[in-house]
Amino acid sequence: NAGVMQNPRHLVRRRGQEARLRCSPMKGHSHVYWYRQLPEEGLKFMVYLQKENIIDESGMPKERFSAEFPKEGPSILRIQQVVRGDSAAYFCASSPLGKGDIQYFGAGTRLSVL
Amino acid sequence: KNEVEQSPQNLTAQEGEFITINCSYSVGISALHWLQQHPGGGIVSLFMLSSGKKKHGRLIATINIQEKHSSLHITASHPRDSAVYICAVMEGGSYIPTFGRGTSLIVHP
Repeated sequence: NAGVMQNPRHLVRRRGQEARLRCSPMKGHSHVYWYRQLPEEGLKFMVYLQKENIIDESGMPKERFSAEFPKEGPSILRIQQVVRGDSAAYFCASSPLGKGDIQYFGAGTRLSVL
Repeated sequence: KNEVEQSPQNLTAQEGEFITINCSYSVGISALHWLQQHPGGGIVSLFMLSSGKKKHGRLIATINIQEKHSSLHITASHPRDSAVYICAVMEGGSYIPTFGRGTSLIVHP
């Protein structure tokens, strides 16, 4: 049973480009969470999704950021018109049951904006 | 909002030493996670606990709900234990964890 798979592991973008980060949850998990870890800071919640639904996006910046978890395929975190301040590690986690359940993390995607 | 404090912030030990990392929080919770993050690497969930004590290999996690405090112990520490250890708490009914800033552990051979 493969763990949570994130790709790419490293992503370099120039200012103004788009970044797409993918997350495939563990088999049987239908709950996906995205977190951001800025340099020298702790993890911060961004968004919680279930299949085809955004449950809570209270941690997402209001502009340029969006997330989806389609019926088929991985969850996608999309950042449009990236800026240097978006440089961070983005982690995805999944859980089988959602609320209160243990979350299993992926290896993260390290985004560098030049 | 729950305030999660970890101590110490940085910890250096010699191989074989017994390690303790502490986590305190301000608001009652339903569960607490201990996570491990290696430099440049991903995050591994070590434990989730809501009461008492859990043990996995050389790792032991305890929680005292009344005192709002948890500890992570590493027995017979090894250089491969070098990592950042992160405490995360979940308040009742919430799915959004509040994370501590982490404790950076370096174990020297």
